[in-house]
Amino acid sequence: NAGVMQNPRHLVRRRGQEARLRCSPMKGHSHVYWYRQLPEEGLKFMVYLQKENIIDESGMPKERFSAEFPKEGPSILRIQQVVRGDSAAYFCASSPPASGITGELFFGEGSRLTVL
Amino acid sequence: DQQVKQNSPSLSVQEGRISILNCDYTNSMFDYFLWYKKYPAEGPTFLISISSIKDKNEDGRFTVFLNKSAKHLSLHIVPSQPGDSAVYFCAASDSRSSNTGKLIFGQGTTLQVKP
Repeated sequence: NAGVMQNPRHLVRRRGQEARLRCSPMKGHSHVYWYRQLPEEGLKFMVYLQKENIIDESGMPKERFSAEFPKEGPSILRIQQVVRGDSAAYFCASSPPASGITGELFFGEGSRLTVL
Repeated sequence: DQQVKQNSPSLSVQEGRISILNCDYTNSMFDYFLWYKKYPAEGPTFLISISSIKDKNEDGRFTVFLNKSAKHLSLHIVPSQPGDSAVYFCAASDSRSSNTGKLIFGQGTTLQVKP
């Protein structure tokens, strides 16, 4: 199965700890997006990356959050010093290089972060 | 500022009948609209889309209608099946943006199709 792979599926952290979420895009896809879904809400765009480049991080909180997509390996969403409000489902999505105007994204199953 | 709104949190229909899910948007720059379906504990999956140059797009049991003047779109599922029970998200994008993957999602509508 060459779908978008996210791990861990579930992550529990205490306040102040760090959370690292990983995402491997679909084979042949070079564009990665991170979205966050808070309880009872829709998905909110966080960041758009291509290999070794952050293209659009307009949805990322200014502090504690960072993302990378290295030349080798998965994309990483890192949350430092987590707080309870960071508890959410974090979805990674990918698209091929020439997705044109469609904006169709292929989503992973999500990583559910719980902050105690 | 909720640019894409799905005002009905839930909808229940009988198997075989039509399901109509509605979505409103406020940003006139949006020119591409998508519907995603999401089962519990899974990621959203693409269902159907429509460009603003059209007012209707059909794919099997699924049809999306776009009314640009009203900034309104709807998803029709007919006939509805129990396997259609899921959360449906409306999303919009500005295709002229350099980031066409920056989708703006509505809050979702939970559809329940009763056997």
